[in-house]
Amino acid sequence: ETGVTQTPRHLVMGMTNKKSLKCEQHLGHNAMYWYKQSAKKPLELMFVYNFKEQTENNSVPSRFSPECPNSSHLFLHLHTLQPEDSALYLCASSRASDREGYTFGSGTRLTVV
Amino acid sequence: GESVGLHLPTLSVQEGDNSIINCAYSNSASDYFIWYKQESGKGPQFIIDIRSNMDKRQGQRVTVLLNKTVKHLSLQIAATQPGDSAVYFCADRFYNQGGKLIFGQGTELSVKP
Repeated sequence: ETGVTQTPRHLVMGMTNKKSLKCEQHLGHNAMYWYKQSAKKPLELMFVYNFKEQTENNSVPSRFSPECPNSSHLFLHLHTLQPEDSALYLCASSRASDREGYTFGSGTRLTVV
Repeated sequence: GESVGLHLPTLSVQEGDNSIINCAYSNSASDYFIWYKQESGKGPQFIIDIRSNMDKRQGQRVTVLLNKTVKHLSLQIAATQPGDSAVYFCADRFYNQGGKLIFGQGTELSVKP
């Protein structure tokens, strides 16, 4: 375990479903991130939160809705997704404003049917 | 625009040989570089980092070289082992853009016994 825990590990959902991905870290970090990893593509940054405030939305469609209730928890709410949204969704954390790398969770493998 | 690219999508080496994975970046303002390793079913794991004021940094069996003149980064793995088989990503971070990490596409390293 890296200290960043993501649940569920796998998720299959229909296009009309609503589901949420959860990320939790107890590393004392105060920046959290959502990345999307599709086959044969680089990791795509989706959202950035610093001290619970969203500081970046990388032109992500509104069917993805992030929530950061505190510095330890991050959610990604999903609704009316498309099959092309199927991917590995990775959560990461770091100390904000710190020139260090991120600690990643193991990801949620999402399949939209 | 910003981009971090890798020269080869796959690399196959014999166990015990040295591996070299290359990466090019485009932003001359990048001041921090990281290599990550991602094994199947896991999130990316930090391997080694280097700051732009350095040319070389060594870890345990790994060395990162930075050539700022040609914007090139490489990861050298000594005495490659089967456990090194994974996808390797380089990432750069530039502090004046919120410190976000931008990832390259990844090189898949296969180690033949």
